[in-house]
Amino acid sequence: ELKVEQNPLFLSMQEGKNYTIYCNYSTTSDRLYWYRQDPGKSLESLFVLLSNGAVKQEGRLMASLDTKARLSTLHITAAVHDLSATYFCAAFPMDSNYQLIWGAGTKLIIKP
Amino acid sequence: DVKVTQSSRYLVKRTGEKVFLECVQDMDHENMFWYRQDPGLGLRLIYFSYDVKMKEKGDIPEGYSVSREKKERFSLILESASTNQTSMYLCASSEGGWGYTFGSGTRLTVV
Repeated sequence: ELKVEQNPLFLSMQEGKNYTIYCNYSTTSDRLYWYRQDPGKSLESLFVLLSNGAVKQEGRLMASLDTKARLSTLHITAAVHDLSATYFCAAFPMDSNYQLIWGAGTKLIIKP
Repeated sequence: DVKVTQSSRYLVKRTGEKVFLECVQDMDHENMFWYRQDPGLGLRLIYFSYDVKMKEKGDIPEGYSVSREKKERFSLILESASTNQTSMYLCASSEGGWGYTFGSGTRLTVV
């Protein structure tokens, strides 16, 4: 059974700093997703990572995937307040095309 | 872009009422999902559907039912609302093994 773990679950940081959110998954998966949720809002898709070594970047966010280590990272460069949100990673089990398995989410607060 | 529309952003209902939460998607997606989200508990799957008239229980189906009479619409029904069903409800749709598109959410308060 696929399980997805994120850490940290809560992160408070200063603007201008770099940090990384980690997403470990327990069994093989070939599709890894990152979503963002602003307070009181719904989830929006950020990245999909499909192969080992895949790297996607948008603005100050960069996601990568290491399928051998079963690890995805979301790196934040020179954080700004607007990136404050909760970030979720999720993965599909190899035997399913329906149900994404979700991490618990990382609540990121960026202080001016 | 796929659009998933939830009929209400905020709802206040009384204990014991029958509550319908509606979700409509406009891109012919096969799969639709209902989640609830509570502080500290992440996303919990209530029900999902992979085809018209098909439904599968998720992790927390108790107290809920669903209906999918048409491909584009997936309804969540609280047969007799209780205060512990106060939550944010999120609908999502997907095609095949691709990621989900979420609706804007319905914040339900049961008093």
